[in-house]
Amino acid sequence: NAGVTQTPKFQVLKTGQSMTLQCAQDMNHEYMSWYRQDPGMGLRLIHYSVGAGITDQGEVPNGYNVSRSTTEDFPLRLLSAAPSQTSVYFCASSRPGHGGIGELFFGEGSRLTVL
Amino acid sequence: TQLLEQSPQFLSIQEGENLTVYCNSSSVFSSLQWYRQEPGEGPVLLVTVVTGGEVKKLKRLTFQFGDARKDSSLHITAAQPGDTGLYLCAGDGKEEYGNKLVFGAGTILRVKS
Repeated sequence: NAGVTQTPKFQVLKTGQSMTLQCAQDMNHEYMSWYRQDPGMGLRLIHYSVGAGITDQGEVPNGYNVSRSTTEDFPLRLLSAAPSQTSVYFCASSRPGHGGIGELFFGEGSRLTVL
Repeated sequence: TQLLEQSPQFLSIQEGENLTVYCNSSSVFSSLQWYRQEPGEGPVLLVTVVTGGEVKKLKRLTFQFGDARKDSSLHITAAQPGDTGLYLCAGDGKEEYGNKLVFGAGTILRVKS
């Protein structure tokens, strides 16, 4: 059982380039989300989705796009990379529990460097 | 400003010592989660506390949810080098925050042998 799979694990971009971080989960979770993790700032929510065809903005959505055409996949697109987007990106999925989002299952992360 | 304030930010202790990590907020959460993250990996859930005043134990780790469901603590007894990692608390409160988990900034724990 793969859980949440993210690709690529490492990527170096030049300023202005675009790219897509892929995320797939095989647990049939409706909820999926993307976070970025920077030193001293914990995890900050970029975008999330509560089901196929539904996406919404999180705390830091600028410069990123998402789509959710299937339950399994939730790609994150960087439109025009900037050095401020250098970070570690995590995709996570969950099934609702305890009256909220429930436990998040995270991928292993994608380390992005923008030069 | 973090909705969830974690303290301390960094803790370096000797093997066998005890420690407590705090997670505080002015907001009420329906539940609070604690995650542990090791270098190069994603966070992994340790526990979810749901009821005000609840105490949960996971081997040498004790988690407590405040009576008012605004704060939580993680106590580790006789810390081991294997406890080293980043500890994150996350508040889950669908009514107030919509479909979002609110994370604290994390506590980096280093246990020296």
